[in-house]
Amino acid sequence: NAGVTQTPKFQVLKTGQSMTLQCAQDMNHEYMSWYRQDPGMGLRLIHYSVGAGITDQGEVPNGYNVSRSTTEDFPLRLLSAAPSQTSVYFCASSTTGTSAYNEQFFGPGTRLTVL
Amino acid sequence: AQRVTQPEKLLSVFKGAPVELKCNYSYSGSPELFWYVQYSRQRLQLLLRHISRESIKGFTADLNKGETSFHLKKPFAQEEDSAMYYCALSPISTDKLIFGTGTRLQVFP
Repeated sequence: NAGVTQTPKFQVLKTGQSMTLQCAQDMNHEYMSWYRQDPGMGLRLIHYSVGAGITDQGEVPNGYNVSRSTTEDFPLRLLSAAPSQTSVYFCASSTTGTSAYNEQFFGPGTRLTVL
Repeated sequence: AQRVTQPEKLLSVFKGAPVELKCNYSYSGSPELFWYVQYSRQRLQLLLRHISRESIKGFTADLNKGETSFHLKKPFAQEEDSAMYYCALSPISTDKLIFGTGTRLQVFP
């Protein structure tokens, strides 16, 4: 099993450009989520999904879109990148959610720089 | 508001010394709490959760509802414990995980 995979590993964008961060998992997990990690701020939840066709907003959703057409994939879209979106992005998945019985499995991260 | 506070950005100790990484939470219900760890060049991974009440890699964490704390402890630190540690809270029935800002633990030889 590859677990949770993310592509690309690194990306540099110019302000206003759009891009999609890819996330996939091969563990048949229902729950998937996106976080951004910024110095001094820890991980903050951007969007999450409890199953195919279902998404919801996290703590910092503005500027990001998601969709969940399959169980395996959960792409994160930046429609018009801004320097404030410079961050490290982590995708995570778990069996059914965030309860005490669920362990979150994290991807390796994507380091995004917006100039 | 639901919040997790880790007051120390950096904790430095010598090998063999006791370690306590502090975590306080703000939540009115019964909390579901976790410690996640990120070793250098590795993925973020679960270290332990409050329901398991077990010791992982020598670490333990006890939920203290009166003090709203979930501090992570280890009696004798090892160099391989050097990592970034995050405390996280999952409010009941929200499907959200709230992380603290993290504490970097440095264990010197």
